[in-house]
Amino acid sequence: NAGVTQTPKFRVLKTGQSMTLLCAQDMNHEYMYWYRQDPGMGLRLIHYSVGEGTTAKGEVPDGYNVSRLKKQNFLLGLESAAPSQTSVYFCASSYSVPGQEQPQHFGDGTRLSIL
Amino acid sequence: DQQVKQNSPSLSVQEGRISILNCDYTNSMFDYFLWYKKYPAEGPTFLISISSIKDKNEDGRFTVFLNKSAKHLSLHIVPSQPGDSAVYFCAAIPNTNAGKSTFGDGTTLTVKP
Repeated sequence: NAGVTQTPKFRVLKTGQSMTLLCAQDMNHEYMYWYRQDPGMGLRLIHYSVGEGTTAKGEVPDGYNVSRLKKQNFLLGLESAAPSQTSVYFCASSYSVPGQEQPQHFGDGTRLSIL
Repeated sequence: DQQVKQNSPSLSVQEGRISILNCDYTNSMFDYFLWYKKYPAEGPTFLISISSIKDKNEDGRFTVFLNKSAKHLSLHIVPSQPGDSAVYFCAAIPNTNAGKSTFGDGTTLTVKP
């Protein structure tokens, strides 16, 4: 039972390079999310999706783009990496059940360093 | 303005004693509150939750208490075990946007043998 899988686990980029982080879930969840976690801070929402083909901005969307072409995949893109984007990135997914709490299931993170 | 706050960055307790982790929130529109546990190099995992219509929810050694008038919730772990050593995040979900959680900054719990 894989759950939420993030690829890659580690990456080092140079300023200005671009890359895509991949998130895949096998739980048939409707909702998917991308967060970043910086040292001493909680998880900040970058973008999220409430279903295939939909995306929405979170708390810190600048410098990132996302796509949800398939229900099971949620891609996070950095168009022109900056040192301020050095962080650990977490993907999560959850069911959408109105009126109930919806725990999120997280991947193990991608540690990204921008030099 | 941080809507969910965990004011204690760290907590250290002795094995077998009670651990109490606290969380304060400012948005009265939050409908559900969740606690997640995170080990190093892993993603957070869901631990326990509580609805805003309740004041207590218990699951084994873990109990969450909610005080709506004070906009405060706490997680009690009894008895604490060394394996409980982790970062604990409080999260809140508003009733207007199901699934979209706001997280606190986390509290690092260390349980000493």
